[in-house]
Amino acid sequence: ETGVTQTPRHLVMGMTNKKSLKCEQHLGHNAMYWYKQSAKKPLELMFVYNFKEQTENNSVPSRFSPECPNSSHLFLHLHTLQPEDSALYLCASSQPGTIFEQYFGPGTRLTVT
Amino acid sequence: DAKTTQPNSMESNEEEPVHLPCNHSTISGTDYIHWYRQLPSQGPEYVIHGLTSNVNNRMASLAIAEDRKSSTLILHRATLRDAAVYYCILRGVIAGGTSYGKLTFGQGTILTVHP
Repeated sequence: ETGVTQTPRHLVMGMTNKKSLKCEQHLGHNAMYWYKQSAKKPLELMFVYNFKEQTENNSVPSRFSPECPNSSHLFLHLHTLQPEDSALYLCASSQPGTIFEQYFGPGTRLTVT
Repeated sequence: DAKTTQPNSMESNEEEPVHLPCNHSTISGTDYIHWYRQLPSQGPEYVIHGLTSNVNNRMASLAIAEDRKSSTLILHRATLRDAAVYYCILRGVIAGGTSYGKLTFGQGTILTVHP
């Protein structure tokens, strides 16, 4: 257990559906991240939040909409996804500072049909 | 971001030491060297990090070349549980000394441990 939980662990959705991924951290961190891991590709950073403010959007399509209501929770709202969006979506958290480490959740395996 | 180069895969036998190399010839003076690993069906986990000096922790050791252009992650006695993808990552520091910790992952090295 890393202290970062993600729900659901598996999700199958159609291209016209709307769904949300949830991430929660119990570590008292103030930075949270969404990453995407597609088959055969490196992890790609999608979004970064520091103290609930979005500080990085790595050119992510608007069909992915993040939300960070407080420092402990992070959501990724999904709508009108494409089959190529099927991937493992990982959430992480860290304490901002010069020396830190990121703690990752187990991920949500998303399949878009 | 400065790039790292790692072998695609390595193999080891259980109970033997493993040396995982990483080249980072364009590293800047303020870049930290981080290592993460990802076990099957899990998210990545932090292993170790360093700046200039060699580092040891309960999981591994990190040996950093004097010119900082390469580093080696050392697992002193590999176990089957160490089979994973190992990522060597450079993390810079934003002006002012703080960083929210953007990590850029490469392909990593797939470590296979044989019983």
